[in-house]
Amino acid sequence: DAKTTQPNSMESNEEEPVHLPCNHSTISGTDYIHWYRQLPSQGPEYVIHGLTSNVNNRMASLAIAEDRKSSTLILHRATLRDAAVYYCILVMGAQKLVFGQGTRLTINP
Amino acid sequence: GAVVSQHPSWVICKSGTSVKIECRSLDFQATTMFWYRQFPKQSLMLMATSNEGSKATYEQGVEKDKFLINHASLTLSTLTVTSAHPEDSSFYICSARDTRLNTEAFFGQGTRLTVV
Repeated sequence: DAKTTQPNSMESNEEEPVHLPCNHSTISGTDYIHWYRQLPSQGPEYVIHGLTSNVNNRMASLAIAEDRKSSTLILHRATLRDAAVYYCILVMGAQKLVFGQGTRLTINP
Repeated sequence: GAVVSQHPSWVICKSGTSVKIECRSLDFQATTMFWYRQFPKQSLMLMATSNEGSKATYEQGVEKDKFLINHASLTLSTLTVTSAHPEDSSFYICSARDTRLNTEAFFGQGTRLTVV
């Protein structure tokens, strides 16, 4: 399984943008980049995914480096409800989703 | 978005008994379902992958006779923890994907199992 590397933790302030980085230097050409987040005592929640181009949805934006060896999840205006563990996962086709340790995001009021 | 319903959300059972956890995709066909276990302060650990109508594929170190997985239809998968012991106490999470569409995975809300 292609691996991803994320910082263990990050902290930001409410109503400010948050940039969560993910390195995936061994990504293959058919790997999609998926992001999920998990709030305490809940199952993970889908955030966004992409292949090569940057992606936007109502929750976040995903910026993918030109060489695809890294990506950044952008929360444009963080709220307290965005405090969670964020996971960056590479997914190829029907393959399984293997979770790393993720980034624990703390939002200060 | 699509909904995956997992039941029960919590269960307490006596040591030596079996517990069944259900995972249903409510508005899409789940060709593949995944079962995870999560201990406190840790990430999700994949236990097994099941494709509809086929036997589950277990990850290394996961006992298939202890964690029985059935995926008989495109909307339902079950995980049965047999002869449960206190060390099986954990947070179990299912996930479902329609891999024909190469879309995202959807997760159940998790089941907190406590074996006493």
